[in-house]
Amino acid sequence: DIQMTQSPSSMSASLGDTVTINCLASQDIGNYLSWYQQKPGKSPKLMIYGATNLEDGVPSRFSGSRSGSDYSLTINSLGYDDEGIYHCHQYYEYPLTFGSGTKLEIK
Amino acid sequence: QVTLKESGTGILQPSQALSLTCSFSGFSLSTTGICVSWIRQPSGKGLEWLADICWDDGKGYNPSLKNRLSISKDTSNNQAFLKITSVDTADTATYYCARRPFITTTLDYWGQGVMVTVSS
Repeated sequence: DIQMTQSPSSMSASLGDTVTINCLASQDIGNYLSWYQQKPGKSPKLMIYGATNLEDGVPSRFSGSRSGSDYSLTINSLGYDDEGIYHCHQYYEYPLTFGSGTKLEIK
Repeated sequence: QVTLKESGTGILQPSQALSLTCSFSGFSLSTTGICVSWIRQPSGKGLEWLADICWDDGKGYNPSLKNRLSISKDTSNNQAFLKITSVDTADTATYYCARRPFITTTLDYWGQGVMVTVSS
């Protein structure tokens, strides 16, 4: 199975800050990487797909990047609505796998 | 408009079988490339992909659940099903279904989830 090592597990940032969440794939997954935002009691919401593509309706403050097997989600100009848990996900091959999640708190 | 909604047994006893239904609209599982996945999330924990079924009846399973999973579909009624046999407390989780618009694409639309509790 492809392991997705996500870091940090939690973070706290201030309004207006820029934060980066990382995911390291245990083997090559190309650009088959997506990012989800999950609010308490809600289902995950697709934010980024294909490692760098912004899903329709997602603010341009969100961006995804890739360097080899390292993938990053960057959020600029943090707002209160960005609070939640962020999950990375590889869909390169079965079994599909997820990172362990990053809990983002806005101070 | 794409929507998915999960339903199923809310409370089970260990060793029973769990049956889940995903009812969807806005797409068809007979459309080339489309797949529907099942994912679960224990309270306070991460997401675990369980299985998916595609337009051509192709199926994928998470080997960590060995032979306990069975996925199927009813294309005419826009439903997908998941059965998990011999449940135990570790199967307590919120179960989601989600769509993949093409087999090489990611999960774009998710249902609201259904909570399943396994308890004696």
